[in-house]
Amino acid sequence: KAGVTQTPRYLIKTRGQQVTLSCSPISGHRSVSWYQQTPGQGLQFLFEYFSETQRNKGNFPGRFSGRQFSNSRSEMNVSTLELGDSALYLCASSLFGKSTDTQYFGPGTRLTVL
Amino acid sequence: AQTVTQSQPEMSVQEAETVTLSCTYDTSESDYYLFWYKQPPSRQMILVIRQEAYKQQNATENRFSVNFQKAAKSFSLKISDSQLGDAAMYFCAYRSPAGGHAGGTSYGKLTFGQGTILTVHP
Repeated sequence: KAGVTQTPRYLIKTRGQQVTLSCSPISGHRSVSWYQQTPGQGLQFLFEYFSETQRNKGNFPGRFSGRQFSNSRSEMNVSTLELGDSALYLCASSLFGKSTDTQYFGPGTRLTVL
Repeated sequence: AQTVTQSQPEMSVQEAETVTLSCTYDTSESDYYLFWYKQPPSRQMILVIRQEAYKQQNATENRFSVNFQKAAKSFSLKISDSQLGDAAMYFCAYRSPAGGHAGGTSYGKLTFGQGTILTVHP
């Protein structure tokens, strides 16, 4: 079974631009979560989607948004990029997003904001 | 809010030796899940081991085992017979109840510690 895939793997943007990152979960997994990883803040939860609905959200400004499609693929969007948005963005998928479900992570998208 | 603390930014071990990574957490919940994830230089997060808080028995997975002390809110990872491939950043993570018998709505959210970089010397 293929693992979680994320595209693109690397991205360079400038301040003020917007960016869209994509995540394809493991086949059969319906829950997708997103995390931001930075040297200063560590790993922080952004949001979780299940059946095209956002069920949980972390403490991030409204510039960070996401969506999920009917095939469970998910995208996250960051508008009006700031230098501090430079990070590794990880997505993770699980069957139903319940605490008993194991989350499997993708390889991440490295975003650099200049 | 729950917090997870890993007090050892870096640890090192000789190949074939045993090393223990520490993790403490703070929570007012009685039902929760704890995890150790490994992040090698490739940045792919890999689940090492999980522990359900309601289980008193410590989890083990081959060379990896945990010492779960619920009252002390401590969750350490022991790696036996360390191998060069064990070198990575290790993260301790906490998960609140979501779905299932415990109910809860903290879907998808893991709260991570700051990580411990493990170096394995040949």
